[in-house]
Amino acid sequence: GDSVTQMEGPVTLSEEAFLTINCTYTATGYPSLFWYVQYPGEGLQLLLKATKADDKGSNKGFEATYRKETTSFHLEKGSVQVSDSAVYFCALRRMDSNYQLIWGAGTKLIIKP
Amino acid sequence: GAVVSQHPSRVICKSGTSVKIECRSLDFQATTMFWYRQFPKQSLMLMATSNEGSKATYEQGVEKDKFLINHASLTLSTLTVTSAHPEDSSFYICSALLAGGTDTQYFGPGTRLTVL
Repeated sequence: GDSVTQMEGPVTLSEEAFLTINCTYTATGYPSLFWYVQYPGEGLQLLLKATKADDKGSNKGFEATYRKETTSFHLEKGSVQVSDSAVYFCALRRMDSNYQLIWGAGTKLIIKP
Repeated sequence: GAVVSQHPSRVICKSGTSVKIECRSLDFQATTMFWYRQFPKQSLMLMATSNEGSKATYEQGVEKDKFLINHASLTLSTLTVTSAHPEDSSFYICSALLAGGTDTQYFGPGTRLTVL
């Protein structure tokens, strides 16, 4: 069945470091791909998404490119801030679903000043 | 942006009692709402899909008689955990789809249920 695998955390970085959080998926067809973020004490928020191969989603300095050849959707940011500390979830929406999402396990990101 | 609230944020109950969790879309109408369960350090597990005015669709392995879902209006869905037991302790999250909008789900902040 469809699945999403993302790197285990926590990931600890210093402020202004480069960030990569890996996400790979298994799915039939061409699913839409998402990154959600959960800040402490808050609900999940959509960070960015891509709906077809080679699409690049971007928001708040974060980027992720839909790579069908490697079935990946890695999240990157050039210079992280303390305020980026949160849990990041990669997810896919099945093509045949009623907007149902398949989730990765989440990666906790800790940014130290 | 679209806001979804959940109430209560935390609840502690005794084994055998029932607990109701509310999920409200505050500034938009949601024809579809989802209920998830999240275990510590694990991903979200979809429990059921709730469509306004119709019966919820439960995922395989989720007991529909234990987890009662009611989606009576376009802004409110409720999840009732009946005869709760300690193994039902978890973090429950709802999300809502904006009616007529894109495929973006808007999430509530979650409810922490502890069954003693």
